[in-house]
Amino acid sequence: DQQVKQNSPSLSVQEGRISILNCDYTNSMFDYFLWYKKYPAEGPTFLISISSIKDKNEDGRFTVFLNKSAKHLSLHIVPSQPGDSAVYFCAASATNDYKLSFGAGTTVTVRA
Amino acid sequence: KAGVTQTPRYLIKTRGQQVTLSCSPISGHRSVSWYQQTPGQGLQFLFEYFSETQRNKGNFPGRFSGRQFSNSRSEMNVSTLELGDSALYLCASTISAGLNTEAFFGQGTRLTVV
Repeated sequence: DQQVKQNSPSLSVQEGRISILNCDYTNSMFDYFLWYKKYPAEGPTFLISISSIKDKNEDGRFTVFLNKSAKHLSLHIVPSQPGDSAVYFCAASATNDYKLSFGAGTTVTVRA
Repeated sequence: KAGVTQTPRYLIKTRGQQVTLSCSPISGHRSVSWYQQTPGQGLQFLFEYFSETQRNKGNFPGRFSGRQFSNSRSEMNVSTLELGDSALYLCASTISAGLNTEAFFGQGTRLTVV
C-alpha cells in the first residue's frame, strides 16, 4: 500500500523558471516530511524538510509547502538550474515509527 | 565529517548464494536503517536499528536480516538469493532516538544476482 504518492513521473522545465513537484500522502499519522534529490548511482541527498506544525519552510532556492487538510505537499525550486536535473523523492515519517515512506520519485529535467 | 559509508559498492552473486552488506553511519549517529531501491518501486524500507535493537521491520521475507554492532555499524544479510533481489541497497543514518529528523544516505551497494 503506497502511502506516499508522486503522481508525476517526470517534469521538464526551462532554466530560470520555477519547478513545482507535488506529493500526496494517505497516512494521517505522518508528521514529518522530507524531500530528497538523487543522481544515478548515488544515494539520495537531503534537500529540505517540514514538520506538520508548519505550512511552509524555505531554504535558498527551495521551498516546501504543506497542506495538512489536503494531505498534500509541494516543493518549489526557483530559479531552476541545470544541476537540478535529477530524481526527486518525497518522503514522510511518523513519530516513533523509525522509518521513511517514499514516493516513487519525479525525474526533473532542466532545459537550457 | 565523514558521511555514511557502504561497502562494497558493487556485488555480483549467483542465485542461491548469500550476501552481507556493510554500513558505517556518520559519527555520532546511532540509528541506522536500510532501504531497497528497484526500478519502478521507489525506496522500500527494510529495517531500522538503534543501540543494537531492531525497532521496525518492513514487509520483506525472512531471508533479509540485519544487525547493528555496539559502534553503530550495521550489516544486512540476504540468504538464498533470488534474481528479484537485484537492487540498489541503501543505508541511512540519523542522530535521533525517535524525534523526527533528516536521514543521511550512503551511496549504496548495487547487488546483481545472476
